[in-house]
Amino acid sequence: NAGVTQTPKFQVLKTGQSMTLQCAQDMNHNSMYWYRQDPGMGLRLIYYSASEGTTDKGEVPNGYNVSRLNKREFSLRLESAAPSQTSVYFCASSEVQYTEAFFGQGTRLTVV
Amino acid sequence: TQLLEQSPQFLSIQEGENLTVYCNSSSVFSSLQWYRQEPGEGPVLLVTVVTGGEVKKLKRLTFQFGDARKDSSLHITAAQPGDTGLYLCAGYNAGGTSYGKLTFGQGTILTVHP
Repeated sequence: NAGVTQTPKFQVLKTGQSMTLQCAQDMNHNSMYWYRQDPGMGLRLIYYSASEGTTDKGEVPNGYNVSRLNKREFSLRLESAAPSQTSVYFCASSEVQYTEAFFGQGTRLTVV
Repeated sequence: TQLLEQSPQFLSIQEGENLTVYCNSSSVFSSLQWYRQEPGEGPVLLVTVVTGGEVKKLKRLTFQFGDARKDSSLHITAAQPGDTGLYLCAGYNAGGTSYGKLTFGQGTILTVHP
């Protein structure tokens, strides 16, 4: 059982480049999330999708876009990467509210 | 915006000591969760508390949800080096337009020295 799979695991971008982080879950969960984690800090919510067909902004959405492609997949796009977006990005999913959120292994992104 | 304030941010103690981590908010949460994260990994759930005043125990860990569902605490008895890690509280919004939103606190980095 793979759980939540994120790709890629590592990425280096130049300022201004674009990229898409992929996330897929095989647990038939309704809700999916994208977080970023910076050194010494907790997880900050970028965007979330409470159910297929809906997406909403979290605490730090500027510079990002998301697509809930289907129930399994939730992608995060950086249109024009900036050094401030250097971080570790985590995708997570949960069945419904109150239930456990399962996390991927994270994507370590460096923007130079 | 519903914020979760976690304290302390860092905690360094000796093996055998007790400790408490706090998670506070001015907003009501429908449920609060505690996660533990190891370096290079995603967070893993320890417990979910749903009812105001609820207390849950997991071996040497005791979790409490405040009566007003605005705060929670994690107490560890007789800490061991294996307890070292990042502890995160997280809350689900109490309905409304932000249904399904899961917000995390800043985390507490716990180091337990042998």
